[in-house]
Amino acid sequence: SAVISQKPSRDICQRGTSLTIQCQVDSQVTMMFWYRQQPGQSLTLIATANQGSEATYESGFVIDKFPISRPNLTFSTLTVSNMSPEDSSIYLCSVAEETQYFGPGTRLLVL
Amino acid sequence: SQKIEQNSEALNIQEGKTATLTCNYTNYSPAYLQWYRQDPGRGPVFLLLIRENEKEKRKERLKVTFDTTLKQSLFHITASQPADSATYLCALDEYGNKLVFGAGTILRVKS
Repeated sequence: SAVISQKPSRDICQRGTSLTIQCQVDSQVTMMFWYRQQPGQSLTLIATANQGSEATYESGFVIDKFPISRPNLTFSTLTVSNMSPEDSSIYLCSVAEETQYFGPGTRLLVL
Repeated sequence: SQKIEQNSEALNIQEGKTATLTCNYTNYSPAYLQWYRQDPGRGPVFLLLIRENEKEKRKERLKVTFDTTLKQSLFHITASQPADSATYLCALDEYGNKLVFGAGTILRVKS
């Protein structure tokens, strides 16, 4: 199974600023995903991070708001841009083999 | 529309009893279904995967059933313990390793 770390683990940000979340995996993986989990709700897929090409975004999520980088097979970043209080959430990265392995999450609070 | 439903109310049971959680879905034809455990402030952890051609899967005190006719999966924890208290999520594959998650059921096991 893959071991995934995320940075930061939590942050408090001001409205209008941006935050970049890092996801590091201990092995090379083809597929990496970014999810959002709003308080009391389940996970919603934001995008699939593709190595060497642009991320594939789900309905309701756009690249300008959530730019993603995937420079190699072990690392990805998600930026939450121009934040508003509605972006307060837990952001999780995951990798897929047959099952998915999740990072510990980044807890974001936007004031 | 596609939907995954899990018991929205928390399930409270006594230690030693069997906990049964339900996952119902509509308008999906998943090749497999997965169950995850999520503790507060942490990412989901994979528990079990059951394929469409499997009726039942077991792992230690856990048992999952999958009825593709009823479009339902049941997740059982036998001899439950307070340490089993957590939120349990079911997830279906949509395509390309993309998972869709239910909202989860909170399980509380009281000693």
